[in-house]
Amino acid sequence: GAVVSQHPSRVICKSGTSVKIECRSLDFQATTMFWYRQFPKQSLMLMATSNEGSKATYEQGVEKDKFLINHASLTLSTLTVTSAHPEDSSFYICSARGADNEQFFGPGTRLTVL
Amino acid sequence: SQQGEEDPQALSIQEGENATMNCSYKTSINNLQWYRQNSGRGLVHLILIRSNEREKHSGRLRVTLDTSKKSSSLLITASRAADTASYFCAVRIQGAQKLVFGQGTRLTINP
Repeated sequence: GAVVSQHPSRVICKSGTSVKIECRSLDFQATTMFWYRQFPKQSLMLMATSNEGSKATYEQGVEKDKFLINHASLTLSTLTVTSAHPEDSSFYICSARGADNEQFFGPGTRLTVL
Repeated sequence: SQQGEEDPQALSIQEGENATMNCSYKTSINNLQWYRQNSGRGLVHLILIRSNEREKHSGRLRVTLDTSKKSSSLLITASRAADTASYFCAVRIQGAQKLVFGQGTRLTINP
């Protein structure tokens, strides 16, 4: 199946710093990418949907200025957590969907904010 | 907002027994998918059932879909210790791009 990668897989940062997470579709062009957040022992919560070349659509309650999403190409989307705080510590998972509408998930990035 | 409600939230059974997990949702859907997630790991896609399908099989997995009741079930037969994981249903909402996940069921298979 298609592969979606995320980088980094783990990141630890100090409170107040910004962290960028990359999501890449390795062998297909992703017209749409999705970003999810998962707290321990909870489900995946959709944060935003992004289409290549246009602004992301954020879910209710997700701060767009806090979680900056850029989908500059058909194989790369980035999520930047700005001025991270301990409550932003979570598992962030991206997902990419290609032209055939099949959706593939990345392995996730574990963010720990000290 | 979450669409899927799953029950039970946690299920513990003996190896060899069958495990059944249920998922209910609120709106019209294009398809419903089941995923597995081992602790702290990424998602593994298990099976997709379209809104015009009623039942689907894949190995030891059997999925049913009842669109009139807006519910689905996942049956794992002859469970193994390696099936221990969290299982999530996710619905592709009709007319929308997004895939929305249920709360998940934590399945433990005791050897």
